[in-house]
Amino acid sequence: DAEITQSPRHKITETGRQVTLACHQTWNHNNMFWYRQDLGHGLRLIHYSYGVQDTNKGEVSDGYSVSRSNTEDLPLTLESAASSQTSVYFCASSVSTGELFFGEGSRLTVL
Amino acid sequence: KQEVTQIPAALSVPEGENLVLNCSFTDSAIYNLQWFRQDPGKGLTSLLLIQSSQREQTSGRLNASLDKSSGRSTLYIAASQPGDSATYLCAASGAGSYQLTFGKGTKLSVIP
Repeated sequence: DAEITQSPRHKITETGRQVTLACHQTWNHNNMFWYRQDLGHGLRLIHYSYGVQDTNKGEVSDGYSVSRSNTEDLPLTLESAASSQTSVYFCASSVSTGELFFGEGSRLTVL
Repeated sequence: KQEVTQIPAALSVPEGENLVLNCSFTDSAIYNLQWFRQDPGKGLTSLLLIQSSQREQTSGRLNASLDKSSGRSTLYIAASQPGDSATYLCAASGAGSYQLTFGKGTKLSVIP
């Protein structure tokens, strides 16, 4: 079955370190998204991509970057991790109808 | 900017009851609206997608409606079961956009 996978599922890091969260989908979807989920804020869009070499900033993009070198992958990089970036991160992809499908999430703790 | 609100934040019902979850959005020029279910510690599972040209969608015991003019969507769950206990999220996208804006969800508890 086609799917969307995230890795690592859990990560603990220290303030100032660079962290990359991987997202891989096998549906061949053009649209991919990164969200973070926090108590009291719900899900907020970080970055998104509508195809190879296309990347766009979302609502809370400061401190994050993405790159899209192929259809299947959209890695999310935290350039210098901060405690405020402790969160659960979700990757998602969508078809042309806009229906969104999510990965299982990556829980990141920044100490 | 699209804003999505879900009320109530939490709801507890006895097993077997029919229930309605509410979602409101500010920009009526939406592209689509999607309902999700999230179990604790898990990702989001898509339940129903309603495109802007549609008024409702049904899947099993679930029925979702869309009223763009009033900025509202409802998710109707028939004959609720304890297994329906989860957080239900509504999300809407703006016109011509694939980006979904999420509400904060309604946490549903179905009591046996």
